Amino acid sequence: DAKTTQPNSMESNEEEPVHLPCNHSTISGTDYIHWYRQLPSQGPEYVIHGLTSNVNNRMASLAIAEDRKSSTLILHRATLRDAAVYYCILRGANTGGFKTIFGAGTRLFVKA
Amino acid sequence: DAGVIQSPRHEVTEMGQEVTLRCKPISGHDYLFWYRQTMMRGLELLIYFNNNVPIDDSGMPEDRFSAKMPNASFSTLKIQPSEPRDSAVYFCASSIRVEGSNEKLFFGSGTQLSVL
Repeated sequence: DAKTTQPNSMESNEEEPVHLPCNHSTISGTDYIHWYRQLPSQGPEYVIHGLTSNVNNRMASLAIAEDRKSSTLILHRATLRDAAVYYCILRGANTGGFKTIFGAGTRLFVKA
Repeated sequence: DAGVIQSPRHEVTEMGQEVTLRCKPISGHDYLFWYRQTMMRGLELLIYFNNNVPIDDSGMPEDRFSAKMPNASFSTLKIQPSEPRDSAVYFCASSIRVEGSNEKLFFGSGTQLSVL
């Protein structure tokens, strides 16, 4: 399974943008990049995903490098409710891609 | 939709007892996953099913763990006998295959298991 590398933790001020990086240098051409987050005492929840192009949704934006070896999750205005662990995951297009493996993720702290 | 439903939310049992965790996936989803989360090991994939058939159980720690999916709307994870090191939060997740691998995983709220 292709692996991802994320910083253990990051800190942000409320109302400011947050850029969460992820390295995935062994990504294959058919791997999708997914981001999930886990709020305290809850199960992980889907945030966003992409293949090659940058993506936007109501929760966040995903910026994917041209060589696809890294990506960045962008929270445009961090709130206290965004404090969570953020996971960057690769999911392949073949059957094995459904074996979704979570790494340690990045714990985001948001200061008021 | 009610989402993925897990029961019980909390389970406290004594070492040696049998524990059964339950999961109801989202209706129409054809994949079901069982994960375990601990501080030391993070989120671990234990087993996953496709159309009620176990596809990969390589993450199941040992023979004391077993999982079944008798139909599309119900799955169980059983630990017999339970041990204190099994204490963790167990999550169930479901998904539906759409256009290759861009489907989302939907997680339940988890079962907090404490084995004394």
